[in-house]
Amino acid sequence: GAGVSQSPRYKVAKRGQDVALRCDPISGHVSLFWYQQALGQGPEFLTYFQNEAQLDKSGLPSDRFFAERPEGSVSTLKIQRTQQEDSAVYLCASSEGAGRNQPQHFGDGTRLSIL
Amino acid sequence: RKEVEQDPGPFNVPEGATVAFNCTYSNSASQSFFWYRQDCRKEPKLLMSVYSSGNEDGRFTAQLNRASQYISLLIRDSKLSDSATYLCVVSSGGSYIPTFGRGTSLIVHP
Repeated sequence: GAGVSQSPRYKVAKRGQDVALRCDPISGHVSLFWYQQALGQGPEFLTYFQNEAQLDKSGLPSDRFFAERPEGSVSTLKIQRTQQEDSAVYLCASSEGAGRNQPQHFGDGTRLSIL
Repeated sequence: RKEVEQDPGPFNVPEGATVAFNCTYSNSASQSFFWYRQDCRKEPKLLMSVYSSGNEDGRFTAQLNRASQYISLLIRDSKLSDSATYLCVVSSGGSYIPTFGRGTSLIVHP
């Protein structure tokens, strides 16, 4: 079946531009996570949705970062006024239930480069 | 001190070797533990969950040591295809938020 799908795979933007990254989770999955992964590091948590509710956004680095999941399925991560330090791979993951014991299924990620 | 720590390696081993990685965690209330595998420029993929009693899946064995607050991954009879970064993931009690280690790089050579 279809896995987690992220688009675009690659995004290049100039400093100061806004970008929007999309995540299509596995159909029916309740939980959705966004992570930021820098080279040589593990994924760093950004935000978590349970259905359409954003239960935790403590990992968002600044108020330039905004995420939504209005209908409890597709999610968008938006970064306003991008900075060079925003360059990273942005990973989306979904899991079937809402519990912490649920394994996560990751998308391929969006590789963001800010010039 | 980071919440989840891993030796980044790389661990460079010949085919057929047995290799083990540890991952330490600082929050004694941690409840859920996983090992993920990440190939270069790919997404992380679940390798195995780690249960209190330990678990084994083919050549892979995962153990949890709550007293010393670490989990381990043992790979027997290493294959070239085992070359990857191995990420440990820990979730604390009451939190849905998993914390990833930075990963341990394994290189299996002929």
